[in-house]
Amino acid sequence: AQKVTQAQTEISVVEKEDVTLDCVYETRDTTYYLFWYKQPPSGELVFLIRRNSFDEQNEISGRYSWNFQKSTSSFNFTITASQVVDSAVYFCALTRGWGGTASKLTFGTGTRLQVTL
Amino acid sequence: DAGVTQSPTHLIKTRGQQVTLRCSPKSGHDTVSWYQQALGQGPQFIFQYYEEEERQRGNFPDRFSGHQFPNYSSELNVNALLLGDSALYLCASSVRDRGLGNTIYFGEGSWLTVV
Repeated sequence: AQKVTQAQTEISVVEKEDVTLDCVYETRDTTYYLFWYKQPPSGELVFLIRRNSFDEQNEISGRYSWNFQKSTSSFNFTITASQVVDSAVYFCALTRGWGGTASKLTFGTGTRLQVTL
Repeated sequence: DAGVTQSPTHLIKTRGQQVTLRCSPKSGHDTVSWYQQALGQGPQFIFQYYEEEERQRGNFPDRFSGHQFPNYSSELNVNALLLGDSALYLCASSVRDRGLGNTIYFGEGSWLTVV
């Protein structure tokens, strides 16, 4: 069975602070994908990143960066110089990496990020 | 390029009634999955449709059923509504055979309130 744990329920930071959202996963598959999604109050899940199990390189996209470590089964997400617009619930998710099963996501419970002025 | 579209956005139903939610996948996508997200929780997988057939199913009762049409759009039906069915219902689209390159996109969801 697959499992995703986001231990941080809620984080509050002041604008321009850096913040890291933690994600720990469990899977017996050797091929899998990890995702991060952002969910604003409107409800839509906005895709942020997909990372496959064979690629442990860290990735940076603007103020966002991701640290994938298979040794600790973690896929952490850092926002540098946070902004008020970053306020949302962030979900980490896991799926198998092949065929139809690749479409079935297992989500964590989410981390609510509140960025204030 | 239209993304994943869902309708209706909000609806209120009475206990015992039936509801139908609709989803049109992203252009070029052939697989539709449905998720239920209760307040304060992560989305839970309900089922997935590909080639007009249910391919995978999560831990949901038979009151939850679906359908996929030849144009890949999909419907989610819930019968005999319970108060606990109140949730955000999310539709996700993807390409089944892309395997290692699969990115899953979501619609804005349908907010269902059962009273």
